[in-house]
Formats: sequence, structure tokens, C-alpha cells
Amino acid sequence: AQRVTQPEKLLSVFKGAPVELKCNYSYSGSPELFWYVQYSRQRLQLLLRHISRESIKGFTADLNKGETSFHLKKPFAQEEDSAMYYCALNAGGTSYGKLTFGQGTILTVHP
Amino acid sequence: KAGVTQTPRYLIKTRGQQVTLSCSPISGHRSVSWYQQTPGQGLQFLFEYFSETQRNKGNFPGRFSGRQFSNSRSEMNVSTLELGDSALYLCASSFTGLGDTIYFGEGSWLTVV
Repeated sequence: AQRVTQPEKLLSVFKGAPVELKCNYSYSGSPELFWYVQYSRQRLQLLLRHISRESIKGFTADLNKGETSFHLKKPFAQEEDSAMYYCALNAGGTSYGKLTFGQGTILTVHP
Repeated sequence: KAGVTQTPRYLIKTRGQQVTLSCSPISGHRSVSWYQQTPGQGLQFLFEYFSETQRNKGNFPGRFSGRQFSNSRSEMNVSTLELGDSALYLCASSFTGLGDTIYFGEGSWLTVV
């Protein structure tokens, strides 16, 4: 069975500081990893996925298969980055439509 | 392009009743999934439908069921409601349900009293 762990429930940084949201996963196969974000009063939306290797809103995430991690990073945090962030995994194969989510990290960026 | 739409947005039911929630996926999306979100358990997968067939199911009791129509709309039903069923129920859609981006609706808030 697959599992996603986000060790930090809360993370506070000041504007302009670097931020890293940690995500570790356990799965024996080759999963697809995602970061979803939920801003206040908005729906859950995709931030980025490992397969696309994009940088969205200044965020990047690298899949480290050796450490089974998919940490989310941004060099200079902005106040508008304050939100709930979820790391999620799709196991592929017959895992149709199924994302396994971590418990989420609430990021607060102080002015 | 309209996003995933869920109705109703809020509802209150009494223990023992049943409830039906509706979801309209993004146009062209044929895979529809349902999730339950609670403070204690977080986001948990309920089931997924594609072309009116359930292809995947999470670890929920049989009181939770769903269906999909030929136009890809979906409904989920919870029978014999329990207090613990109080949650935000999220519908999500994607083109294939495997490897492509999954888009979420705003959810239906269910309170069981």
C-alpha cells in the first residue's frame, strides 16, 4: 500500500525567506507525485507534478527516488503563498482516479 | 471552461437518513472520482467511475455508493447516515483517471445531526 507523509503540519516563514515543504512517500513501484494547493476559500488545485518538471509560481519540486521524497521549494516566499499544501501520489497501474494524500502543511508567510 | 461543479454545496441531514450528492465534471472528462475530507482522516479516496463503470474503490463501507451517467455526470449516495459521515465530499474529474491531471470541485459540506 502507498503512503504519503508530510511531517510538518504548520510552517511559518517571513516574506522573502526560502521555504521548503517536505513530502516523503512509501511505495514500491514508480508513482506519480503531485503537489496540490488550497488557498483560503478556494478549491483544491494542482500546483505541479513531477513528470512535467515545471516551475509554477516560483515553486519547484524534485522527485528523489533514493530518499523517496518530493519536497516543494521556493527561494523567496510571498505573502500570497500562504495556503494549505498537499502532497499526493498516484500509484499507476489500476489506481484509476486515486490520489493518496498526505495530511497537508499549512504555510503562513508573514510580512 | 467551467470547472467541476458539485451540488448541493451545504446540507444537513439526520442520523439514519440517506443523502445523494451530484457532480458535473469538466467537459470532455470521463473519469470522475469522489473523496471524503475530514479533519481527522484528511483526504480519502472513495471511488472512481469511467464510462459508467466503477473501476476503483477505496476502503469505505457499502453504505457509500455511486454511479455515473452516460454524460459523465456522477452521483454518490450515503445510506443510513452516521454522525461520523459529517465531512466535505469532493468530486474530481480528469480525462482518463490515470496519470493525467485531476481537477477538484469545491465540495459538498455534509453535516449529520
